[in-house]
Amino acid sequence: EAQVTQNPRYLITVTGKKLTVTCSQNMNHEYMSWYRQDPGLGLRQIYYSMNVEVTDKGDVPEGYKVSRKEKRNFPLILESPSPNQTSLYFCASSQNRAYEQYFGPGTRLTVT
Amino acid sequence: GQQVMQIPQYQHVQEGEDFTTYCNSSTTLSNIQWYKQRPGGHPVFLIQLVKSGEVKKQKRLTFQFGEAKKNSSLHITATQTTDVGTYFCAGPPDSNYQLIWGAGTKLIIKP
Repeated sequence: EAQVTQNPRYLITVTGKKLTVTCSQNMNHEYMSWYRQDPGLGLRQIYYSMNVEVTDKGDVPEGYKVSRKEKRNFPLILESPSPNQTSLYFCASSQNRAYEQYFGPGTRLTVT
Repeated sequence: GQQVMQIPQYQHVQEGEDFTTYCNSSTTLSNIQWYKQRPGGHPVFLIQLVKSGEVKKQKRLTFQFGEAKKNSSLHITATQTTDVGTYFCAGPPDSNYQLIWGAGTKLIIKP
């Protein structure tokens, strides 16, 4: 089954404790990205990757890091989480950044 | 900067009434995509329109892409409880650019 997986689905953590949210796709997609979703603000792109070892900032990259060492995986790293990073996070993949995006199930992060 | 305005933010309807959401872009888009996010779920791709003035239908859903390729609409006829969720539009200014997302319209069925 074609899918994008994310882990964990829910995470409660404390300020400053480094965390990683994993994302994996099995569709051989070149393009992957991370979004955060906050009430009333829709989907805002954090980082994206056009291919392995190629990443770039989206609209709200501050406080986040990513890496793309393999085509299928695109982890999101929060080196020192803060409460304003409490949000719902989605990973997405596609053949091309301008076309149909496949989303993972989401990770709800709470930073206290 | 480039942005897509989507209205309304919420729409409350009685089951059986129609629903419409509108997207207006500050720039010409090479395509417009529509996604649906059910409560507690993730956005799911519904459709893509590419041509100026294009109209596509999926059962009770009608999607339009404006002549100038700067606006789009989604119309649902005779809403059902299964239509509940948030509808997003998104489109790239050109095929070599990221998608720009509308903020979404939440469809709520009145009890």
